[in-house]
Amino acid sequence: QVQLQESGPGLVKPSETLSLTCTVSGDSISSVAYYWNWVRQPPGKGLEWIGYISYSGTTYYSPSLKSRITISTDMSNNQVSLRLNSVTAADTAVYYCARGGGGVVIFFDTWGQGALVTVSS
Amino acid sequence: SYELTQPPSVSVSPGQTINITCSGEKLGQKYSSWYQQRPGQAPIVLIYQDTQRPSGVPKRFSASVSGNTATLTIAGAQAADEADYYCQTWASNSGVFGPGTWVTVL
Repeated sequence: QVQLQESGPGLVKPSETLSLTCTVSGDSISSVAYYWNWVRQPPGKGLEWIGYISYSGTTYYSPSLKSRITISTDMSNNQVSLRLNSVTAADTAVYYCARGGGGVVIFFDTWGQGALVTVSS
Repeated sequence: SYELTQPPSVSVSPGQTINITCSGEKLGQKYSSWYQQRPGQAPIVLIYQDTQRPSGVPKRFSASVSGNTATLTIAGAQAADEADYYCQTWASNSGVFGPGTWVTVL
């Protein structure tokens, strides 16, 4: 059974870079037809898709965040990483890692428990 | 940018049927998924590819699509169904979530 675990600093200063890691167990991030997504949720608000990296290394990012995001993989450690630069208080959120599968269309079949990141000086 | 619309909240009595709508331009020409998120927990998938239910999801959760609207139906509402429900689709290779619907089972 695949499990995802987000980790990283819980507090980031404004204008700095948010970095999170998603450690995947029970599956290889290079498994064909899986897409490794990041989704965030500001306190008390809804879900926002951030982007994904595919099993082949292709990335797609939210247009609203594209200029500040990098999603990458570390195959040796079976990890997916998110970097979001120039953060502001509006980036305060719970950040989820989610596996996307499905074949015909991607859906998020497995989620991590989430990591709260607060942007504050 | 593409947007999905959901009612902010729905209230039902135990045992009743819950219908949650999700509307978007040409949504019927895309695939939609539905997620349940209980307070303090990560979302879980209820429906994918418009109407498909993953293994482990009770049969009382179902969905349909007509025109520009997808509908999640929960039969026989239970207290455990109190949660936020989000629809989701893809537009121009970007994931889009609806704003969510909070369901209260009174």
